[in-house]
Amino acid sequence: DVVMTQSPLSLPVTLGQPASISCRSSQSLVHSDGNTYLNWFQQRPGQSPRRLIYKVSNRDSGVPDRFSGSGSGTDFTLKISRVEAEDVGVYYCMQGTHWPLTFGGGTKVEIK
Amino acid sequence: QVQLVQSGPEVKKPGASVKVSCKASGYTFISYDISWVRQAPGQGLEWMGWISPYNGNTNYAQKFQGRLAMTTDTSTSTAYMELRSLRSDDTAVYYCARDGVYDRVDYWGQGTLVTVSS
Repeated sequence: DVVMTQSPLSLPVTLGQPASISCRSSQSLVHSDGNTYLNWFQQRPGQSPRRLIYKVSNRDSGVPDRFSGSGSGTDFTLKISRVEAEDVGVYYCMQGTHWPLTFGGGTKVEIK
Repeated sequence: QVQLVQSGPEVKKPGASVKVSCKASGYTFISYDISWVRQAPGQGLEWMGWISPYNGNTNYAQKFQGRLAMTTDTSTSTAYMELRSLRSDDTAVYYCARDGVYDRVDYWGQGTLVTVSS
């Protein structure tokens, strides 16, 4: 199985400051169809996960543009340009290139 | 708008089975697959398996082989996940999620808490 490793585990951030989460996969996530199926999800306390980013860098509808995704191959990053109070929660990366689908362990974003 | 509405919470004894439903609306049910993901209390997300409502094909994670069954009813646009021989460590919130071939895991259900306790 592809292992997804996120860092840091916990990320205390000052309101209005940037935040960055890393996600590394144990093998390349480039699919034979040429796509890289790497998603980012936000899970606020008590809620279902919500997809923010798909195929590395595509923002889902309604997602604020302060969220951005980048990376390639085995190394990916989610950035929040200016953290707001509503961004508190746990963020997960997920690979959908290889079976079984696998998730990173999560990064908890909290306000300092 | 796309919605996935799951059945309510369940309490089961060890060794029993549970069947969770997931009713889809707002899109053509057979055009997207359904993945099931669970989350134990305070833990991360774990993919359990996948089903194609179009042809009934399934793909289960190795650890659930033999006690997991996923089905769909296209007449009601509903997906089902049945887990047998429940253990206490199966206590978790179970989510269904829409899953496309080129657009993996976008919309999620609200989750169903399954508690396994004697």
